[in-house]
Amino acid sequence: DAKTTQPTSMDCAEGRAANLPCNHSTISGNEYVYWYRQIHSQGPQYIIHGLKNNETNEMASLIITEDRKSSTLILPHATLRDTAVYYCIVRPRSGGGADGLTFGKGTHLIIQP
Amino acid sequence: KAGVTQTPRYLIKTRGQQVTLSCSPISGHRSVSWYQQTPGQGLQFLFEYFSETQRNKGNFPGRFSGRQFSNSRSEMNVSTLELGDSALYLCASSWTAPEVVNTEAFFGQGTRLTVV
Repeated sequence: DAKTTQPTSMDCAEGRAANLPCNHSTISGNEYVYWYRQIHSQGPQYIIHGLKNNETNEMASLIITEDRKSSTLILPHATLRDTAVYYCIVRPRSGGGADGLTFGKGTHLIIQP
Repeated sequence: KAGVTQTPRYLIKTRGQQVTLSCSPISGHRSVSWYQQTPGQGLQFLFEYFSETQRNKGNFPGRFSGRQFSNSRSEMNVSTLELGDSALYLCASSWTAPEVVNTEAFFGQGTRLTVV
């Protein structure tokens, strides 16, 4: 799987948009970008994934650059409950579920009241 | 619908013992994966089962093993426990089939194993 680089930690004010960047410069054409988050003492939670088009769901938006070398996860109106470690993962198109996911260190997002 | 259930939630074992952890996936999910999480190494993939067959395995010694039953429930076993095996063990299930790819995974709360 391609490697990803994320900032170690970020702060965001409650109610503002949280923008979490991820670099994946060695991503190949058949690899998807996935985002998971892990709230303290819980298992990881799926957020969103995409290939090359921008994606949006009820939790977040995923913006992937045209060259696919980086992406940004956007939480539009962050709340205190969004404080968590956010993982950006790339995986082959043929992968599914939690099979062989490579979790890096992630970004510790802290939402400030 | 019920989520992924892992039992027990907490466990204390002595070095040299063996331990079995259990995971019940979401109803209808046939894929179960196991992960180990430690402060030093983070989340690391152990193995994945689909329809009672191990399809993929991470880089862990043979002391770590698993199996999946016909109802998709899974167990993992660690023999000859070492202090370094102390970790949070997470199970994840997904609706994955050979023809269905790129599905999301649902993780359980984990089993916190402490080896003393």
